[in-house]
Amino acid sequence: AQKITQTQPGMFVQEKEAVTLDCTYDTSDPSYGLFWYKQPSSGEMIFLIYQGSYDQQNATEGRYSLNFQKAKKSANLVISASQLGDSAMYFCAMRVDQGAQRLVFGQGTRLTINP
Amino acid sequence: DVKVTQSSRYLVKRTGEKVFLECVQDMDHENMFWYRQDPGLGLRLIYFSYDVKMKEKGDIPEGYSVSREKKERFSLILESASTNQTSMYLCASYSGTNTGELFFGEGSRLTVL
Repeated sequence: AQKITQTQPGMFVQEKEAVTLDCTYDTSDPSYGLFWYKQPSSGEMIFLIYQGSYDQQNATEGRYSLNFQKAKKSANLVISASQLGDSAMYFCAMRVDQGAQRLVFGQGTRLTINP
Repeated sequence: DVKVTQSSRYLVKRTGEKVFLECVQDMDHENMFWYRQDPGLGLRLIYFSYDVKMKEKGDIPEGYSVSREKKERFSLILESASTNQTSMYLCASYSGTNTGELFFGEGSRLTVL
């Protein structure tokens, strides 16, 4: 079964520290995509970063990077130099159907940045 | 700018009522999706559509139906709302980019009393 697991329901981090949000996935399909989304309290889902299963290098987007360890089936999100505005829910997701572009989501991690 | 608009941010309905949640995208996207978000469960796919008048069941379609009469509009219908359908509903459309991310609306929080 294709599944995403986020084991950290909540995390508290001091401002300016780096933070790692965990994500593990399960699929038997050799071709897949992994996504991270941010959901602030306003509710909209904001796309952060993408990693394809055949990508050789870890994806980076500004302060976001994805630590992709294929053998461990993990796709952790790393946020460097955290800011108060990073406080939000974070969801890891996996594309399970290339044609239809269906995504399977994890349970989410609520990140709180303390001043 | 990319836009997915959900008609209602907050709705309160009574058990047994018929509920329509509307979603409109202005990007000419083929694929559209309805997800339900519940605490501790993340987002779960209810239905999706890859073309006008085409629909496919997602992971939790029971109690829901959908309608896609025009490319830009994808509606979620609760024929007879029940209290266990109290939830946040998120509409999304597929970007068509190389990365294939979805664009989401702001969500509709439905309370069924």
